[in-house]
Amino acid sequence: EVVLTQSPATLSLSPGERATLSCRASQSVSSFLAWYQQKPGQAPRLLIYDISNRATGIPARFSGSGSGTDFILTISSLEPEDFAVYYCQQRSNWPYSFGQGTKLEIK
Amino acid sequence: EVQLMESGGGLIQPGGSLRLSCAASGFTFSGYAMSWVRQAPGKGLEWVSGISNSGGNTYYTDSVRGRFTISRDNSKNTLYLQMDSLRAEDTAVYYCAKGTGVPRPHYFDYWGQGALVTVSS
Repeated sequence: EVVLTQSPATLSLSPGERATLSCRASQSVSSFLAWYQQKPGQAPRLLIYDISNRATGIPARFSGSGSGTDFILTISSLEPEDFAVYYCQQRSNWPYSFGQGTKLEIK
Repeated sequence: EVQLMESGGGLIQPGGSLRLSCAASGFTFSGYAMSWVRQAPGKGLEWVSGISNSGGNTYYTDSVRGRFTISRDNSKNTLYLQMDSLRAEDTAVYYCAKGTGVPRPHYFDYWGQGALVTVSS
């Protein structure tokens, strides 16, 4: 089973700042990694798939990078609505797995 | 507009059974793989099970294999999760999620609102 470890657990930033979230896989997942955003009481929303492709309707301030075992989600300039929990997910191996999440909170 | 509507959640005793349903609309249901993803209270996301677009292939995480059964009825645009031998650790909100690929789900671009399953005596 592929274990995804996200860091930091909590990230405290202000609107307008740049956010960098990390996801590390226990073994290579090639390019098969996605990022989701989840707000309280809501279902997750797909942001990025296959490392760097933005899903439909996702603003350009969200970008993904990385390869193999180390991946980054970057939010270039935080908007108030971006404060949420972010999860990475791999589809390289069964079972699919999610990271434990990074909570992005307002400083 | 894509819509996924789960039903069938509730309070069940340990060892009991429950069947979740997910009614899909707004897309060609038979053209996409589907999955169930759960979230225990205050915890992260856990992929539970997936099914190919035809229903011919099913996938499970280890903790539910042999206890849960995923299925679909493409004539009714409905996804199911039969949950048997339920345990306290199965308590979670269960999301129905539309896959982005075929025949495997890949990623999940639409999600239902979730169905709460509580396993407790």
